[in-house]
Amino acid sequence: GQQVMQIPQYQHVQEGEDFTTYCNSSTTLSNIQWYKQRPGGHPVFLIQLVKSGEVKKQKRLTFQFGEAKKNSSLHITATQTTDVGTYFCASTGANNLFFGTGTRLTVIP
Amino acid sequence: DSGVTQTPKHLITATGQRVTLRCSPRSGDLSVYWYQQSLDQGLQFLIQYYNGEERAKGNILERFSAQQFPDLHSELNLSSLELGDSALYFCASSVGDRVIIGETQYFGPGTRLLVL
Repeated sequence: GQQVMQIPQYQHVQEGEDFTTYCNSSTTLSNIQWYKQRPGGHPVFLIQLVKSGEVKKQKRLTFQFGEAKKNSSLHITATQTTDVGTYFCASTGANNLFFGTGTRLTVIP
Repeated sequence: DSGVTQTPKHLITATGQRVTLRCSPRSGDLSVYWYQQSLDQGLQFLIQYYNGEERAKGNILERFSAQQFPDLHSELNLSSLELGDSALYFCASSVGDRVIIGETQYFGPGTRLLVL
C-alpha cells in the first residue's frame, strides 16, 4: 500500500538555526499536505502542494514538492521557540489519507 | 480554537467494553473525519462521512463503527475494546467532501482513550 516515509524522527536545534524535514514515497503522490501539531495539541493544516516542483512560502516556512512528485520537504529558517511541535506530511490516494510518522522539533532557547 | 468540538476529553474504560466518542463539526462543514493517533502507529485515518453518508474508509477495524446524524454531528463507536485501542482519537471537519484530494480540514481537540 501507499506509504509516506518521513525523516528525521526527531530534531533538536538551537533557536535561530534552520530546520528541514523530508517526506519520501516510492510511488508518485497526487498531492502532499503538511500539518503541525503542538505538544498536547491537535494537528493544524499548514499547506497543500499539488504541482510537480511546486514551492510555497509562509513567512519563515518553505514547502517544496519534488519534480517527480515522490518527495517533499518543509524548511524553517531561523527557528523560534514557537516552532516546537511535530510536523507531519500526508498524502491522499485510494480514497485514503496517509500520514508520515512525523518529525518532532525541539528548539533550544 | 478550530470550532470543532469533541466529547469527552478523556475516557478510561476496561477491555471488552464499548464506548462512544462524539464530534460536532464547525458550523457549515458537511464532512467529518475520524483519526486515531497512537505512539506506535502514528496518525491514522479511520473514516469520513459527508452529509450523513460514508464517503471514505481508511484503516478502521471491524470493531469500530461511525455515523453522522442529520444535524451533522458524528459518533465513533468502539466495541470489544483492547489494550491496543488506547490512543488519542481526533475528529476533523471540512466544508466539502474533498479532503481526500486535499481540501483543508480542521481538527478538534481530541478524545484520549485509555483501555485498562
